[in-house]
Formats: sequence, C-alpha cells, structure tokens
Amino acid sequence: DGGITQSPKYLFRKEGQNVTLSCEQNLNHDAMYWYRQDPGQGLRLIYYSQIVNDFQKGDIAEGYSVSREKKESFPLTVTSAQKNPTAFYLCASSSFLGPQNIQYFGAGTRLSVL
Amino acid sequence: LAKTTQPISMDSYEGQEVNITCSHNNIATNDYITWYQQFPSQGPRFIIQGYKTKVTNEVASLFIPADRKSSTLSLPRVSLSDTAVYYCLVGYSGGYQKVTFGTGTKLQVIP
Repeated sequence: DGGITQSPKYLFRKEGQNVTLSCEQNLNHDAMYWYRQDPGQGLRLIYYSQIVNDFQKGDIAEGYSVSREKKESFPLTVTSAQKNPTAFYLCASSSFLGPQNIQYFGAGTRLSVL
Repeated sequence: LAKTTQPISMDSYEGQEVNITCSHNNIATNDYITWYQQFPSQGPRFIIQGYKTKVTNEVASLFIPADRKSSTLSLPRVSLSDTAVYYCLVGYSGGYQKVTFGTGTKLQVIP
C-alpha cells in the first residue's frame, strides 16, 4: 500500500521539551515537505527537501528543525524555541517526474502543549 | 508566486452542481492550476490539475479561460460527503515548486 505515514497521530509536549514527528513515504518521491495548519487557516510551509541530505527553510522555520538522511524519511523536530507549537502538522511528498508536481499528504499529527 | 483569490465559503444543497472560481491574475506562462480538497483533521487530497481549456476526471471538471487569469472548479451533483475546504493553487509543475495554500473555500453541502 503506497503512501505517506505520519506518526504519532496525537502528540503532547511539555514546557521546554523537544518532540519529533515522523514522516515516512514509500512512493519513491524526491521531494518532501512539512506544513503547519492552525484552526481555520490554510497550510504554511515549514521546511522542504528536494533531495537526500539537503533541505530548505520555508515560511515559518523558526523553532523547527529537520533532517533528510534517507529518501523515504523526513522527520520534523519541534524545539523548545517554538513558543506556540499547538497545531496540526502535515507532511507531503511529490515527484519531479512528468509535468505534474502533485503533492501527496499524510494523515497529519496533532500537537498540543501540556 | 501567483497569488490566488477564492471565496471564503459557499453553501449548496445536495444534488446541485457547485462552481468555485479562483482568480489568479499574475499567473505565469509555465504555471499549472491545481485544486485540492481537505476534510477536517485530514491532509489535503489532489482533485484535478490543468493548464488551459477544460479538464475532466471522475471527480470534477476544471474550466480555464483563454487568458488563464481565473479558473473554475465544477463539482457535479454534490453530496454531504463533499463538504470540505477546497484550495486553488498556481505554480510551475516542472521540478520543485513552492506553493502557497491560502485559506481555501469552505463548501458546506446542505441536505
């Protein structure tokens, strides 16, 4: 079954704690993305990666970090520097092949602060 | 990046055809128009993509006039399960594209 798997579905963070959200894809896609969605809002780009061992900041990268050691995996760490982390986090991937650059999304991780 | 403008919300009765229009006045020559659907607490899902004229698939139709400054997503005979947020995106589809998801159009289907 091809697709994008995000885990966990729900995550709680304590004050001063770093937490890591997992994103794995088996679509053999080159590019991967992390978005943040606040209630009633659209998606905002946090980080993206076009290739292994390379990634770029999106519009709201402060307080977040990522790594891309494998093509299939793009974990997101929400650091203690992110003062308002409560949101719905979405991971996506896309392929550069062909004229379409459609993004495929995971089911999301909902992060809350304790 | 081309900026898009779409209505914040729309209501429709079940069984009706729904048309959601998106304005993108500064669309570039290489840009494609893509629509996504998002249900609450889920990731967006690709619906349809086009460059010009009309594109149809099993879910929707996309109408793009010759000047490409707008596009219309048409959903035939909507049902309650079509209640969702619909996003219009414009961007270059060759290689990586940084796209911007606006707030989308919240479609409420009424029984």
